[in-house]
Amino acid sequence: GAVVSQHPSWVICKSGTSVKIECRSLDFQATTMFWYRQFPKQSLMLMATSNEGSKATYEQGVEKDKFLINHASLTLSTLTVTSAHPEDSSFYICSAPSRLAGYNEQFFGPGTRLTVL
Amino acid sequence: TQLLEQSPQFLSIQEGENLTVYCNSSSVFSSLQWYRQEPGEGPVLLVTVVTGGEVKKLKRLTFQFGDARKDSSLHITAAQPGDTGLYLCAGKNNQGGKLIFGQGTELSVKP
Repeated sequence: GAVVSQHPSWVICKSGTSVKIECRSLDFQATTMFWYRQFPKQSLMLMATSNEGSKATYEQGVEKDKFLINHASLTLSTLTVTSAHPEDSSFYICSAPSRLAGYNEQFFGPGTRLTVL
Repeated sequence: TQLLEQSPQFLSIQEGENLTVYCNSSSVFSSLQWYRQEPGEGPVLLVTVVTGGEVKKLKRLTFQFGDARKDSSLHITAAQPGDTGLYLCAGKNNQGGKLIFGQGTELSVKP
């Protein structure tokens, strides 16, 4: 149980285009999901908290208009990188909490590698 | 602001050696999780510790949560090349359930 998937696993796009990344909880419902960004050999940096049925909460310094988050159902959150530029190239990972062991543990998706040319 | 200081950030050892990774904070966490991540993949949960003083074992890995729930350690006995990866500690904060991550420990175990 507690499997989180992401699609696509990798994407290459041209500068100025928008890219959508999907995060799905496959065997549980998630009213909250988290989006992270990770640079090579570094830790995860929380970008935003995705809330089902309401607006996402963004961390300080993260541009809301640049990284659009939609949590349309209890199993799906999407991150859209708008007008992507080379500096947006990164590894994007989502996670969702699940009460498998009686308390919330976060389970991570496999990540999406975004390369902007 | 809650912070987790993880050390060391890089560790290169020979197969069979023991090692310990530390995560320290001045803040109390309701729980602390340890993850292992391989290149190009998402972090995989190893263990969650909840109770102060708790010790959990996972084969050759031993996890401890400090009595005051401000620090944790991961000890690996007789490391193997398959243990190579990025180890992350993450504390659950008291606001909104967000995870506060340490800087990560890049472990390389050479045969």
